[in-house]
Amino acid sequence: EVQLVESGGGLVKPGASLKLSCVASGFTFSDYWMSWVRQTPGKTMEWIGDIKYDGSYTNYAPSLKNRFTISRDNAKSTLYLQMSNVRSEDTATYYCTPSTLAPFDYWGQGVMVTVSS
Amino acid sequence: DIQMTQSPPSLSASLGDKVTITCQASQNINKYIAWYQQKPGKAPGLLIHYTSTLVSGIPSRFSGSGSGRDYSFSISNVESEDIASYYCLQYDNSPWTFGGGTKLELK
Repeated sequence: EVQLVESGGGLVKPGASLKLSCVASGFTFSDYWMSWVRQTPGKTMEWIGDIKYDGSYTNYAPSLKNRFTISRDNAKSTLYLQMSNVRSEDTATYYCTPSTLAPFDYWGQGVMVTVSS
Repeated sequence: DIQMTQSPPSLSASLGDKVTITCQASQNINKYIAWYQQKPGKAPGLLIHYTSTLVSGIPSRFSGSGSGRDYSFSISNVESEDIASYYCLQYDNSPWTFGGGTKLELK
């Protein structure tokens, strides 16, 4: 059974940095592209970016490219999202999701990030 | 970026009804559209990809169609377990973009 467990969220102040993690199991993590997707409190869904199965290439939504960095550790089956200089509009639930047989075909439970002073 | 205009934002249906949701892309997306279901308090789940390919285990009352810029998603014989929000996603051109969502409620 595929499992994706995100962690690292919480309440952070504007301008701070935060690193989210996603531990994957139930599939061969190192074989697949992985993405981060977020959902705002207003339920808008936004793709943040993705990373190639071997970590050699990343791709980001242009509006987030300068502040967010995606990385992975295949030995630990773990995906990361480094967020810097966070803003109130980054308040959202963050999901990690692989694309195995189809785009975003499995989802974790998500982790909430609240940016507020 | 490709804009995905999803309609309607909300939909009220009776059990057994057929409902249809549409997504219009700002340009041709070559059938690279997927549909997700999200129940309250849960993560989204993939139902359909490449316009009409049903994910294994998804009931056949769910279907998708379309081409070019215009796509639709339908549920025939709505059941109570279908009460959820639905989102389209285009994955033809990066950045991948979602529609605004449709909330399906019981009449």
